[in-house]
Amino acid sequence: QQPVQSPQAVILREGEDAVINCSSSKALYSVHWYRQKHGEAPVFLMILLKGGEQKGHEKISASFNEKKQQSSLYLTASQLSYSGTYFCGTTGTYKYIFGTGTRLKVLA
Amino acid sequence: GAGVSQSPSNKVTEKGKDVELRCDPISGHTALYWYRQSLGQGLEFLIYFQGNSAPDKSGLPSDRFSAERTGGSVSTLTIQRTQQEDSAVYLCASSVGTSGGARRRDTQYFGPGTRLTVL
Repeated sequence: QQPVQSPQAVILREGEDAVINCSSSKALYSVHWYRQKHGEAPVFLMILLKGGEQKGHEKISASFNEKKQQSSLYLTASQLSYSGTYFCGTTGTYKYIFGTGTRLKVLA
Repeated sequence: GAGVSQSPSNKVTEKGKDVELRCDPISGHTALYWYRQSLGQGLEFLIYFQGNSAPDKSGLPSDRFSAERTGGSVSTLTIQRTQQEDSAVYLCASSVGTSGGARRRDTQYFGPGTRLTVL
C-alpha cells in the first residue's frame, strides 16, 4: 500500500514555511525523503530511523512518529530552490515504497 | 563513473516495436530498482533485484515487460510490442542493499532516467 502524502500540491512565497505529511497504513521501519526537480531524477534529502526522531539539514527538517506511522517534512523560510516534488520513501520488510508525492512551488 | 547511469537518455519508437533500456548501477551496489514515472505522476515501482535472489517482479504492468540483471551489475528493462501508454520516464536506482536492520538505512541513488515516447 502506497503511503499517502498531503497536501498534493502547495504554493508558497519565498520565506514562508510549509509542512508535508506522509502517512502509511503499514508499520514503518524508516522514512526517507527525496526531492525531485522538474526534469531531473529524485535526490535524497534525509533519513529518519527512530520513533519521534527529528533530523534537520539547514532549514529543512523532518520528524518520524513510528506509532502513528507518519512522517512530516518541515521547510522553514522557503527558498526558490526548494521548488520541486517531494516524495517520502518508506521501508517495510525489505522493499522501498514511495509516497504519492507533493508538488511544491516557491514564488519570488 | 560515480553515479547511476542510464541509456539511452531519450528513445522514440513506433507502436508495436520492442525497446531495451539499460541501467548501470553504482559499483558495489547489490540492490537495483526500476520505476516508471508518467508525466506529472509519482514513482511507480516495476521490479527489484537484490543480489542473487529471485527478483521481485510484482510491479511489472504486463507480460510485455521484462528485466534482467547480468552478473549482479548492469540491468536491462525490455518492453515488447510497445503501446502509447508505455510512454513515460523510466528511472533506475541502486542502493548498497544491506540486509536485516541495516536495510532501513539503504538510500537509493537514481539515474537520470530514459524518456520513452511511443508514437
